[in-house]
Amino acid sequence: DVVMTQTPLSLSVTPGQTASISCKSSHSLVHTDGKTYLFWFLQKPGQPPKLLIYETSTRFSGVPDRVSGSGSGTDFTLKISRVEAEDVGVYYCMHAIQLPRTFGQGTKLEIK
Amino acid sequence: EVQLVESGGGLVQPGRSLRLSCTTSGFAFGDYAMSWFRQAPGKGLEWVGFIANKLHGGTIQYAASVQGRFSISRDDSKSIAYLQMNSLRTEDTAVYYCTKDSHGYFPERGFDCWGQGTLVTVSS
Repeated sequence: DVVMTQTPLSLSVTPGQTASISCKSSHSLVHTDGKTYLFWFLQKPGQPPKLLIYETSTRFSGVPDRVSGSGSGTDFTLKISRVEAEDVGVYYCMHAIQLPRTFGQGTKLEIK
Repeated sequence: EVQLVESGGGLVQPGRSLRLSCTTSGFAFGDYAMSWFRQAPGKGLEWVGFIANKLHGGTIQYAASVQGRFSISRDDSKSIAYLQMNSLRTEDTAVYYCTKDSHGYFPERGFDCWGQGTLVTVSS
């Protein structure tokens, strides 16, 4: 199985600052079609996860451009610029390169 | 508006069975794969399995932790996906989510819509 490792596991950010979350995979997430199937989700308290980013860096519909994904191969990063109160929750990375799909442990973002 | 509503959760004794339903609306159900995920209390997310659409043979795959005990099915005429859970264990206690996948087989653009989840508690 592909192991997904997120760091940090918790993050406290001042409003207006930038939050950065790392996700490292134990195997390359580059598919034979050349695309990299790494996703980011946000789970707000008491809610189901919501898709933020697919294919490493493409924002899902309605996701603000303050949220950006980057990376390649086995190293990926999610950045949230100009952090706001609505950004609190747990962020998960997940791959779809093979079965089983696996997630990172989650990174809890709090506002200072 | 795309909607997914899970139902069928509850308290069940170890070794017993439960069937979850994922009732959907707002999209062409038959065109998409459907997946199930779960989240144990206070824990992270775990993929449970998926079922492809009929065009892709209705292929079904499971996580090793549920293989042989859980089965996924779909009724395209009713736009409902099911998760049949047999031989339940205490470690199956979790909120179970169904998702609409972005495509009929491989989730190229991810899992773009999630239900609110239904809690399954396995305890004697």
